[in-house]
Formats: sequence, structure tokens, C-alpha cells
Amino acid sequence: EVQLVESGGGLATPGGSLRLSCGASGFTFTDHSLNWVRQAPGKGLEWVSSISSGSDHIYYADSVKGRFTVSRDNAKSSLYLQMNALRVEDTAVYYCARETTMPTPLFDWWGQGTLVAVSS
Amino acid sequence: SYELSQPSSVSVSSGQTAIIPCSGETLGDKYVCWYQQKPGQSPVLVLYQDKKRPSGIPERFSGSNSGNTATLTISGTQAMDEADYYCLTWDSNTLHYVFGPGTKVTVL
Repeated sequence: EVQLVESGGGLATPGGSLRLSCGASGFTFTDHSLNWVRQAPGKGLEWVSSISSGSDHIYYADSVKGRFTVSRDNAKSSLYLQMNALRVEDTAVYYCARETTMPTPLFDWWGQGTLVAVSS
Repeated sequence: SYELSQPSSVSVSSGQTAIIPCSGETLGDKYVCWYQQKPGQSPVLVLYQDKKRPSGIPERFSGSNSGNTATLTISGTQAMDEADYYCLTWDSNTLHYVFGPGTKVTVL
């Protein structure tokens, strides 16, 4: 069974940093692009970032571009999100989501999420 | 940047039909999928490629997409269908994913 398990969430101060991880199992890791999606408390889903299987195609939402860096380690079946210059508005549950393009781009599996709280 | 809009809430009587629209410029030219999210849970895919159901999703969930509006229809709505529903599309211009703001479906 496909499993995506996020970790690394917690409390950070504005301007601080956090690194999220997502461990994957149950599928061929290198067959899929992966994404981060976040959800602020009581709010909707927001796509954050995408990374292709070979890390050669990386995209960011405008709200995080220049502050967040996505990466993956295919040998470890792991996805990462380095979050710098954190803002209060980055407070959210961050989900790791597996992408499939068959037949059309979408997220077919999600992790349980990890909570990031940014507060002074 | 591309944007999607949804009504913030839809109320439906048990056993009746819930219709949830998702609107965006020429959305009918793109593929749309729909996610169901219940409180405290991760989103679950209920429709993809506008109208196809993943395995395990009941037949009462159906969809369409034309013009500027995609629609998720829940026929014979049950109490277990009470949840937030989000549409999602991929913008080929920016190579970004775009979620709708979500619709809370309340079953009366």
C-alpha cells in the first residue's frame, strides 16, 4: 500500500527556518513527481511546490518562491521542503502528495500532514 | 495567475442532489479533478478527468466540465457526504496546480 509520512513540523518564529520531510513507501518512488500542498487553519488547500522524478523540473507557488526549496533523495525515497524566512501566514498543515499524470495531472495519494506554526 | 472560484457552501437535504460548481476562464479546455475532505482528514480524490471515478468511489458522484464551469454532482446525497469539496486543475501556462477555494457541503 502507498504510504506518505510527513515529519518535521513544529513551532518556528517569523524569519526562522524549518525542514519538512516526507517518507514514501509502497510504490516506485522514481516513477512519480511529488508535491507539497498546505492548508492554513480553517482555510482551503493551496499548492506549494512540485518536483519531478529526476529533480529537473521544480515549480513553486508565488507565495513561497525564493523562500522555500523542494528537493528529493530517490535513494532514500524521501521528499523535503526547506522553509526559510518563515512568515506567520505560512502557518498550515503541510501535505506531501504523490502526482500522477495518467491520464491527467493530479494528486492520487496524500500523506496525513504535518503542522507548521509560525508565531513570535 | 489562473484562478478558480467555488461557492463557499451548499446545503442539500438527505437523498437529494447536490451540485457544486467550479468556475475558471475556459476551464472546459482543461481537465478538472475533485477532492473530498472531511474534518481532520487528508483529501480524497473523488473524480478525475472531469467525470471519472476512482475505484471505490460511489456512483452517486458524477461530474462534467464545459465552457467556464466544471460541476461535481452528488446524487442521493447521504450524511457521509458532508465534507469540503475542492476542485483542482493544472495550468499549462504556468505549470502550476490551482485549487478552488472549496465548498462546504451540509446535508440537512
